[in-house]
Amino acid sequence: TQLLEQSPQFLSIQEGENLTVYCNSSSVFSSLQWYRQEPGEGPVLLVTVVTGGEVKKLKRLTFQFGDARKDSSLHITAAQTGDTGLYLCAGGANTDKLIFGTGTRLQVFP
Amino acid sequence: NAGVTQTPKFQVLKTGQSMTLQCAQDMNHNSMYWYRQDPGMGLRLIYYSASEGTTDKGEVPNGYNVSRLNKREFSLRLESAAPSQTSVYFCASSNRDRDTQYFGPGTRLTVL
Repeated sequence: TQLLEQSPQFLSIQEGENLTVYCNSSSVFSSLQWYRQEPGEGPVLLVTVVTGGEVKKLKRLTFQFGDARKDSSLHITAAQTGDTGLYLCAGGANTDKLIFGTGTRLQVFP
Repeated sequence: NAGVTQTPKFQVLKTGQSMTLQCAQDMNHNSMYWYRQDPGMGLRLIYYSASEGTTDKGEVPNGYNVSRLNKREFSLRLESAAPSQTSVYFCASSNRDRDTQYFGPGTRLTVL
């Protein structure tokens, strides 16, 4: 069974701080997606990375796919209260369904 | 364009009762999914349907059944609810497996 472990599980920071969330697996994925979920809603896709070593930026969010396509990171610069939510990574292998990570719950205080 | 809709939003059941969770999408997607979300467990796939007329088990199918009624609708049925099925249930759809998944707002189910 493929597993995606995310760390940290919880993160509580002040507005303006930087943070990094990690998504790790022992399996190789053909693509890696990051979703954000706000309270009472379903997850919404932020980005998809498909190439080992790929870096994508979405405003203050930087996503990286590991060279071996087994891990990924999400870095947020100068966090804002609007970044509060549950961040989920999800990996796709060639023949399987998306596997979702365990999630990182981020709370940004003003 | 409503995306993915789910009903009901909240439900409380007694142990042994049955119920059906409804899901519909208006994006003409081929694939539909049912997940449950529990604290610290992320999203776990219950059942999925790669196309109209087909369904397959996911990671945690025990205690559930599904029906892909047509391309738009995918329902999840609990025949005899148990407290372990207390969870938030999400329906999702995508054009193909491993593509971007679009999620509904979820159903919060409590089984007493």
